[in-house]
Amino acid sequence: AQSVTQLGSHVSVSEGALVLLRCNYSSSVPPYLFWYVQYPNQGLQLLLKYTSAATLVKGINGFEAEFKKSETSFHLTKPSAHMSDAAEYFCAVTRGRNQGGKLIFGQGTELSVKP
Amino acid sequence: DTEVTQTPKHLVMGMTNKKSLKCEQHMGHRAMYWYKQKAKKPPELMFVYSYEKLSINESVPSRFSPECPNSSLLNLHLHALQPEDSALYLCASSQDGTRPNTEAFFGQGTRLTVV
Repeated sequence: AQSVTQLGSHVSVSEGALVLLRCNYSSSVPPYLFWYVQYPNQGLQLLLKYTSAATLVKGINGFEAEFKKSETSFHLTKPSAHMSDAAEYFCAVTRGRNQGGKLIFGQGTELSVKP
Repeated sequence: DTEVTQTPKHLVMGMTNKKSLKCEQHMGHRAMYWYKQKAKKPPELMFVYSYEKLSINESVPSRFSPECPNSSLLNLHLHALQPEDSALYLCASSQDGTRPNTEAFFGQGTRLTVV
């Protein structure tokens, strides 16, 4: 069965510092992985997705993620944090080979950005 | 137009009330979803409609009744809910419900409080 684990329920960085949010996956088939962001009292917005075309995926708002099969990881990074990046971040994986749109989410990581 | 629109944004209902949540998308997507998100938790899949037919019901209690009148609309009818059903209800859509690299687009959610 597919699953994702996000390490760290809360991450705090200073404005301008590197953002690193960790996600490890468990999958019996090649995984299709996503990062979503949720601002307070909002829905989820797609940041980026991994679809096996390239291991380094660039997303919106300066975020990127690298798929590492050897480490079963898909960590999200941003070189320089901005105050507006404060939000909840979810890593997700599709439930199976023919299960597009049906997502299993990690527990989420709350990102705080200090001035 | 890449929006999924949900109404109402907030809903307070008593345990004997009947209410409905509405969701609309005009992206030509053929799969639509209801997710439930409790506070500080990730979203959990409830129902999936694919080509206007219910394809997945994640063992959701019958007091939740989904309906897909056409390919653009998705409703969730609520009856005799319990206080523990209070949550953020998210609607999502995707191009189809099979290709695993298909991202889901989420609405802003309906914040439901059962009193």
